[in-house]
Amino acid sequence: TQLLEQSPQFLSIQEGENLTVYCNSSSVFSSLQWYRQEPGEGPVLLVTVVTGGEVKKLKRLTFQFGDARKDSSLHITAAQPGDTGLYLCAGAQGGYQLIWGAGTKLIIKP
Amino acid sequence: KAGVTQTPRYLIKTRGQQVTLSCSPISGHRSVSWYQQTPGQGLQFLFEYFSETQRNKGNFPGRFSGRQFSNSRSEMNVSTLELGDSALYLCASSVGGGEMYEQYFGPGTRLTVT
Repeated sequence: TQLLEQSPQFLSIQEGENLTVYCNSSSVFSSLQWYRQEPGEGPVLLVTVVTGGEVKKLKRLTFQFGDARKDSSLHITAAQPGDTGLYLCAGAQGGYQLIWGAGTKLIIKP
Repeated sequence: KAGVTQTPRYLIKTRGQQVTLSCSPISGHRSVSWYQQTPGQGLQFLFEYFSETQRNKGNFPGRFSGRQFSNSRSEMNVSTLELGDSALYLCASSVGGGEMYEQYFGPGTRLTVT
């Protein structure tokens, strides 16, 4: 079974702090995607990283794909309450199905 | 461009009944995937349809079925509902494949089985 393990499962921090969420696997992926889901809504695609070592920035969010394309990280700088949500990573392996992590529930307290 | 729509948004059914959920993908998207999301199990893949054909299937019992119409709209059906079927059912549409197989989700249907 191909797995994507996310850590931590739950994170609660104060506004203004920095944080990093990890997505790890023993399998190689052709791309890694990050989604954010708010309560009562479907996940929303944030970014897709494709090349090993690739770094993408989305305002205060920085996404990195591991050199071996087996892992990825999401770093948030100066977290804000609007960043609260469930962060999901998903890996593609060249077909038409994604492998999903279990998610990291992030709460940013004002 | 309109997003993925799902109907109904909320549904309460009794154990043993059946239910049909509907999904309209983004215009031009021919791939529709269905997921079950529960707090304990995360996002579980049910099946994926492309051009009216089931292209991929997850590990769910035969009580869960789906279909896709010629306009790419999709329905999923759950027969003989069980309490454990209570979940958020998400539909996602996609265009492309391989490394750029990105999914665009609807708001989900919250199914409660009593």
